[in-house]
Amino acid sequence: AQSVTQLDSHVSVSEGTPVLLRCNYSSSYSPSLFWYVQHPNKGLQLLLKYTSAATLVKGINGFEAEFKKSETSFHLTKPSAHMSDAAEYFCVVRLNTGNQFYFGTGTSLTVIP
Amino acid sequence: EPEVTQTPSHQVTQMGQEVILRCVPISNHLYFYWYRQILGQKVEFLVSFYNNEISEKSEIFDDQFSVERPDGSNFTLKIRSTKLEDSAMYFCASGLSGRSPYEQYFGPGTRLTVT
Repeated sequence: AQSVTQLDSHVSVSEGTPVLLRCNYSSSYSPSLFWYVQHPNKGLQLLLKYTSAATLVKGINGFEAEFKKSETSFHLTKPSAHMSDAAEYFCVVRLNTGNQFYFGTGTSLTVIP
Repeated sequence: EPEVTQTPSHQVTQMGQEVILRCVPISNHLYFYWYRQILGQKVEFLVSFYNNEISEKSEIFDDQFSVERPDGSNFTLKIRSTKLEDSAMYFCASGLSGRSPYEQYFGPGTRLTVT
């Protein structure tokens, strides 16, 4: 069963416009949720995390995500895209059993100048 | 800022050969993980390691795979007899704790190509 689904494999935005990367999860309990970013030839960098505290989570580089239990969503947003945001973004869930992470298939973000 | 490092960045090997992928986790971390990503597919969990033993493993992690923390700083993944389908990017990760916030810090990956 899919634990996490990223709805868009590719998203393209113009520089300075908002970014929305969508993620839905499936879990019987409130999971821990993360967004990671991967730039070319780099490791996976943690952008932000939700672990049952505030539902609106602020991360690095101006990114935010909101945990919506009723919608089982954890969409990633940024008000204004920058060229340096072009990368692969992964939504990741940790279920309440074990420490392993379940990755979404990733969304490739392109920023057009 | 401390980072997880992995060597080599790219390894090419022939089918049937043994390979060892090396990782240096962040120094005060206690939990260690290996993941892999076959080209075009999602990142998949392989194994987690804590207190010098495997704490979880996936069905991918069969008898061909083993992990070791030989010297208190390195964390290795060994594939005994590589198959073509082992070609993938292998990511090492480490975490300070198995409790909230459960963060895992990932290395840049080793690309393994089996020919």
